[in-house]
Amino acid sequence: EDQVTQSPEALRLQEGESSSLNCSYTVSGLRGLFWYRQDPGKGPEFLFTLYSAGEEKEKERLKATLTKKESFLHITAPKPEDSATYLCAVQAPNSGYALNFGKGTSLLVTP
Amino acid sequence: EAGVAQSPRYKIIEKRQSVAFWCNPISGHATLYWYQQILGQGPKLLIQFQNNGVVDDSQLPKDRFSAERLKGVDSTLKIQPAKLEDSAVYLCASTPRRAGALNKETQYFGPGTRLLVL
Repeated sequence: EDQVTQSPEALRLQEGESSSLNCSYTVSGLRGLFWYRQDPGKGPEFLFTLYSAGEEKEKERLKATLTKKESFLHITAPKPEDSATYLCAVQAPNSGYALNFGKGTSLLVTP
Repeated sequence: EAGVAQSPRYKIIEKRQSVAFWCNPISGHATLYWYQQILGQGPKLLIQFQNNGVVDDSQLPKDRFSAERLKGVDSTLKIQPAKLEDSAVYLCASTPRRAGALNKETQYFGPGTRLLVL
């Protein structure tokens, strides 16, 4: 059975304090690993898709990386507006290409 | 380009009542998903449509939940009768093309409908 585990559950950072969020997964035939950002009261907002081990993608202060067992979302010099829940999801052929989500990491960046 | 639209945004009902949610996907998107997100959890797939056909409804509690996508565009999700444990956010998402295509497709989510069952 496909599993996605995110850690930590919650993270509090000072503005400018870089850190990483982890997403560990077990899936047969990974088609893609997705990162989403979700603000309170809103739907998930797409950030990145990674397809193969070694792949990296960047967007502003965020950088996502992928290995065969896990993905990291690196946040460099975060700002308060980066506060949100970050969701990781995997997509596999045996799930009809639906997304199997982790529980998310709740990030709070304080000034 | 307009995003995924959902209504209502909020709904409060009593247990055993019925409720319906509506979703209008991004124009031209063939694949539509309904997810349930319980507080503190990630979204969980309920049903997936490809045009107006069901691709996967294995996690839909069919004794109380039903969904349809007439004409391959808008979709409705219904709960009848509702239980306390149905309190959650119901998210609709869409992707441009057929699941399984060589191009990996990104799912775009609507704002969700927040349901509270009392």
